[in-house]
Amino acid sequence: KAGVTQTPRYLIKTRGQQVTLSCSPISGHRSVSWYQQTPGQGLQFLFEYFSETQRNKGNFPGRFSGRQFSNSRSEMNVSTLELGDSALYLCASRLAGASGEQYFGPGTRLTVT
Amino acid sequence: AQRVTQPEKLLSVFKGAPVELKCNYSYSGSPELFWYVQYSRQRLQLLLRHISRESIKGFTADLNKGETSFHLKKPFAQEEDSAMYYCALSGGSGTYKYIFGTGTRLKVLA
Repeated sequence: KAGVTQTPRYLIKTRGQQVTLSCSPISGHRSVSWYQQTPGQGLQFLFEYFSETQRNKGNFPGRFSGRQFSNSRSEMNVSTLELGDSALYLCASRLAGASGEQYFGPGTRLTVT
Repeated sequence: AQRVTQPEKLLSVFKGAPVELKCNYSYSGSPELFWYVQYSRQRLQLLLRHISRESIKGFTADLNKGETSFHLKKPFAQEEDSAMYYCALSGGSGTYKYIFGTGTRLKVLA
């Protein structure tokens, strides 16, 4: 079956702009999580959506938001971009249960100039 | 506090030497533990999980509940093992948290 897909793969934005990233989970997966990956901080959890509801949230400012649609596709939005937001943003999906393997997408590389 | 700790950011070993990537966790309850790996230019992917008790690519990891550790081991490192390794835990029934460590970069030198 098709893996997790993320669009776009690369983005260049300037400070102050906003950006929307998209993630399509594996068919049948209802949980979608978002992570920020940087060389210095590693993998940091942003939030998780399940059945269109956010059920977990990491320690990121309110500029970072997300949503999930009825088909389980998810979007992440970052407003008022800062240079420090430059990172690889990863999306992961898993089945409905609490535990289990997460399947990761290839990521969206965001560069803020 | 609930956390996963990987004390080494970088671990360099020579080819053929044993490898141990450390992972300690703090979690109230019975979590499920995982190791994920990210090879250069590839997606982050599951390497192994504690409940399956299997060896993948020569790697094993044993859950030590007394020491709250889940160290990843391989007796003889190979150059293709060079990658970023993340330890993670998933909360048990009733919670949906998934917590990753900060990762350890393994470099296997020829």
